[in-house]
Amino acid sequence: KNQVEQSPQSLIILEGKNCTLQCNYTVSPFSNLRWYKQDTGRGPVSLTIMTFSENTKSNGRYTATLDADTKQSSLHITASQLSDSASYICVVQRTGRRALTFGSGTRLQVQP
Amino acid sequence: EAGVAQSPRYKIIEKRQSVAFWCNPISGHATLYWYQQILGQGPKLLIQFQNNGVVDDSQLPKDRFSAERLKGVDSTLKIQPAKLEDSAVYLCASSLEQLHYSNQPQHFGDGTRLSIL
Repeated sequence: KNQVEQSPQSLIILEGKNCTLQCNYTVSPFSNLRWYKQDTGRGPVSLTIMTFSENTKSNGRYTATLDADTKQSSLHITASQLSDSASYICVVQRTGRRALTFGSGTRLQVQP
Repeated sequence: EAGVAQSPRYKIIEKRQSVAFWCNPISGHATLYWYQQILGQGPKLLIQFQNNGVVDDSQLPKDRFSAERLKGVDSTLKIQPAKLEDSAVYLCASSLEQLHYSNQPQHFGDGTRLSIL
């Protein structure tokens, strides 16, 4: 079954600290993996999209890594800010299919 | 560029009533998606349009849900009659994707939060 599992479900960190969110997937055949940020009451916003050949991709303080062999991805947030408080959703697309498989997200809370 | 517009932002109805949501995608985006997002979960695809044709509606509960995208631009999603389990946020997204899949990001609207009493 094509699935995307994220951990942890929720995370609380202090402002200025770094954190790493995990994503494991069983979606096959793999096309690309996406990370989205979703603020409360808003729609998801794309952070990164990585294909099979890409190991890492950065977007400001956000750095995503991909290990297609182990089917794992991580999202690293550097020097967290209060505005980083949101849900982070990992999404995987299969080759040849347009439909995306969404994880349930990690809810991050950054405290002052 | 203007983002994906959705209305209304909130809707409260009683079960067995009908409701409709509207979406205006980003100009020039050929592909439009409707998602259902239940609290604490990731979005679930309901239907995908390529211009004004349906590409994927395999997870759309067709006995009560319907959607159309006339003229390949705006789209409406309707629920009739609504059930308690339909309480969720309904998200619309669009992308530049043309005939074949691509790595184009999906741009989401802020959704319609539906509460069924």
